[in-house]
Amino acid sequence: EDQVTQSPEALRLQEGESSSLNCSYTVSGLRGLFWYRQDPGKGPEFLFTLYSAGEEKEKERLKATLTKKESFLHITAPKPEDSATYLCAVNEIQGAQKLVFGQGTRLTINP
Amino acid sequence: DTAVSQTPKYLVTQMGNDKSIKCEQNLGHDTMYWYKQDSKKFLKIMFSYNNKELIINETVPNRFSPKSPDKAHLNLHINSLELGDSAVYFCASSRGTGMGSPLHFGNGTRLTVT
Repeated sequence: EDQVTQSPEALRLQEGESSSLNCSYTVSGLRGLFWYRQDPGKGPEFLFTLYSAGEEKEKERLKATLTKKESFLHITAPKPEDSATYLCAVNEIQGAQKLVFGQGTRLTINP
Repeated sequence: DTAVSQTPKYLVTQMGNDKSIKCEQNLGHDTMYWYKQDSKKFLKIMFSYNNKELIINETVPNRFSPKSPDKAHLNLHINSLELGDSAVYFCASSRGTGMGSPLHFGNGTRLTVT
């Protein structure tokens, strides 16, 4: 069974202090790795999909990268509005989307 | 103009009762899902429908029964509620079943069973 482990569980940064979140996965065959952002009381909001090792995607202050065993979400010069829980997920099966999620990293950016 | 809407947002009920959660999406998607987020915040898939056909049915108690009257709606009916059913239930939709179509989630229904 596919597994996804995220670290750290929680991270506090000062505004402007860059850092990275980690997502380690074990899959029989990667069919997409997904990053979502979840705000309190809301549903997850899609950020990125990565398909193959070496792929990178960027959106504003966020950049996601992928290797054969893990993905990183790099946050550059974060702002308080970047505070949220960031979820990583892998697709477990072919021909459909059956996402296996990690437990998330709760990110807090202090002004 | 909410893309994926769930009702109710909060549901408090007693053990043994039967309840339903409704989900509607206005994105024109043809695939819908139910996910459960437990107290440890893990999101786990329960069901998925594509064009009203059940395509993913995880190991959940048969007290849980999804129903998709059309492509825009996926409801979840739960019989004989138990304390362990307390969780946040999320509905989601996507355009098709391929990897290139990300899931769009609703804002969840917090179910509390007392």
